[in-house]
Amino acid sequence: QLQLQESGPGLLKPSETLTLTCTVSGGSISRSRHFCGWVRQPPGKGLEWIGSITYSGTTYYNPSLESRLIISVDTSKNQYSVRLSSVTAADTAMYYCARHSDCSDDCVPAFDVWGQGTLVSVSS
Amino acid sequence: ETVLTQSPATLSLSPGERATLSCRTSQNVDIHLAWYQQRPGQAPRLLIYEASKRATGIPARFSGSGSGTDFTLTISSLEPEDFAVYYCQQRKQWPPLTFGGGTKVEIK
Repeated sequence: QLQLQESGPGLLKPSETLTLTCTVSGGSISRSRHFCGWVRQPPGKGLEWIGSITYSGTTYYNPSLESRLIISVDTSKNQYSVRLSSVTAADTAMYYCARHSDCSDDCVPAFDVWGQGTLVSVSS
Repeated sequence: ETVLTQSPATLSLSPGERATLSCRTSQNVDIHLAWYQQRPGQAPRLLIYEASKRATGIPARFSGSGSGTDFTLTISSLEPEDFAVYYCQQRKQWPPLTFGGGTKVEIK
């Protein structure tokens, strides 16, 4: 079955660039209208969608983060990455990657497979 | 951006009781709404998609209803493992995909 696993540095300093990788195993997220999405959750708070990307590399970003955000895919490694520049303490959160789709037939149009998450702290 | 408002913020109930959670959207999302459960220390888990369809492996005590701007998640009889935080999420108007602020179901 499809599994997603996030990885990346746990601690960053303000103004640094956060880079996280999501490794997909047990399959791929290559179907039409299927995406690898990134969602974050500050400690004790709710969920925030960061952005998503298709297997072919089409990206969709949260406007609130777009100026600092790049999401990419390496199909040869079945990996997805997110880069968030100029981090501050407000970017401290658990970061999840998750599969989602936006189709209507023979699919589950929601975040149906999640990674376990990786905690990122920003502190000087 | 479509804003999702969940109520109540906290629901205090006993095992065996019925839980009714609400999600209201600021714009019409038709039926394009999902519900997730998040237990402490775990990633969210999909419960319901397209307002009323149960995801694979989800017990029948979980049901979803609604369309347009008003949605409900019902847990017919709370089991101990159901005490958690629940989020709704819309996919009609995106980007951005948006989540509600969550409802915590706690043991009374």
